[in-house]
Amino acid sequence: QSALTQPRSVSGSPGQSVTISCTGTSSDVGGYNYVSWYQQHPGKAPKLMICNVSKRPSGVPDRFSGSKSGNTASLTISGLQAEDEADYYCCSYAGGYTFRGVFGGGTKLTVL
Amino acid sequence: EVQLVESGGGLVQPGRSLRLSCAASGFTFDDYAMHWVRQAPGKGLEWVSGISWSGGSIGYADSVRGRFTISRDNAKNSLYLQMNSLRAEDTALYYCAKDEVAGIAVNLESWGQGALVTVSS
Repeated sequence: QSALTQPRSVSGSPGQSVTISCTGTSSDVGGYNYVSWYQQHPGKAPKLMICNVSKRPSGVPDRFSGSKSGNTASLTISGLQAEDEADYYCCSYAGGYTFRGVFGGGTKLTVL
Repeated sequence: EVQLVESGGGLVQPGRSLRLSCAASGFTFDDYAMHWVRQAPGKGLEWVSGISWSGGSIGYADSVRGRFTISRDNAKNSLYLQMNSLRAEDTALYYCAKDEVAGIAVNLESWGQGALVTVSS
């Protein structure tokens, strides 16, 4: 089981936009619209930011948006704020003989 | 308010067993699938196992299949993870997480604070 591929780090200045990619295969990201994104601050539990590729849960700022093209999903954060600095993980449902979940390796976002 | 509280973690020798529990409150437990996710020290998130609302659909990561067993007791609003033949590489913080749906979508909308499992002699 291979993890989804994310860049190890991205950075941006306050007010700018950044995009984090998440590449999988046709058996996970490309095959289902069950891609989710999580934000994790140090020492804290992860927080769901995007589900079902592009749906924002209640309370998540509209600066966060998700999309998917083929086997690659993306998380875009616009109007960067200092509190956005965190680790971000993508996750996908994966089918097959039995279901499974698969996470990306995580991306460290630094707000300069 | 959704609350997920894990328990049962601790220090265990390689080859031994441990059972994690997750007590759920603040929502109708048997309306949602549930999952276990782990995070080794300083590492990323790894999905471990998931179970549908009824227990009729269960999945495992390859790394734990055959050693770990997920189960739930809807009458007790509780999720469990029986971990056998533990290895050093199973050392991690184990999170209980609630799915968004009754089936399986792996949209983990609520998380506990985690239970630390350390496998060492």
